[in-house]
Amino acid sequence: GAVVSQHPSWVICKSGTSVKIECRSLDFQATTMFWYRQFPKQSLMLMATSNEGSKATYEQGVEKDKFLINHASLTLSTLTVTSAHPEDSSFYICSLAHGSGDETQYFGPGTRLLVL
Amino acid sequence: SQKIEQNSEALNIQEGKTATLTCNYTNYSPAYLQWYRQDPGRGPVFLLLIRENEKEKRKERLKVTFDTTLKQSLFHITASQPADSATYLCALGVGGGYQKVTFGTGTKLQVIP
Repeated sequence: GAVVSQHPSWVICKSGTSVKIECRSLDFQATTMFWYRQFPKQSLMLMATSNEGSKATYEQGVEKDKFLINHASLTLSTLTVTSAHPEDSSFYICSLAHGSGDETQYFGPGTRLLVL
Repeated sequence: SQKIEQNSEALNIQEGKTATLTCNYTNYSPAYLQWYRQDPGRGPVFLLLIRENEKEKRKERLKVTFDTTLKQSLFHITASQPADSATYLCALGVGGGYQKVTFGTGTKLQVIP
């Protein structure tokens, strides 16, 4: 398996501020991580695929300038919500997969963001 | 358009019975299908994976079937327990080393003591 942590677990911020969420792989070097967003009573929606040492691949409809992703090392990916607005309030979850024939995704505990 | 549909309403069953959850998809040709469990306010936890050339997979009290003709997967929990109460998500993957999956809407299961 793999152990994934996220920080912070929850954050409240004012509209217009930027918020950074960290996703760490504690026991595995992940070349690829995924960032999801989940609204209440809805499923996980993939926002972007984070690739170590290169630019993230964003899903259609996700603004790359608003959701900045940095995968600077094999154990850390960050998601920055820039100029957050109330509609960005959501549950943000990261995951990683081992690859090489193992398609299991290991998820972090999630970060609850509330923008006032 | 592509769709992954799960029972939209919550499923309530009596403890000890078998819970059966459904995942139907359209306009996908998945190489594999996964089932995850998600508790409130937590990230999903992987349960089982079944590939397109497999009909059935088991793990302890869990059983998954995959019918690519019907475009459906069934997820069974036998001898259900209140601790099994959670939301269960199915996810489809295209394989080929490409790890991205698409999740269904999830079904909330409530096991009543």
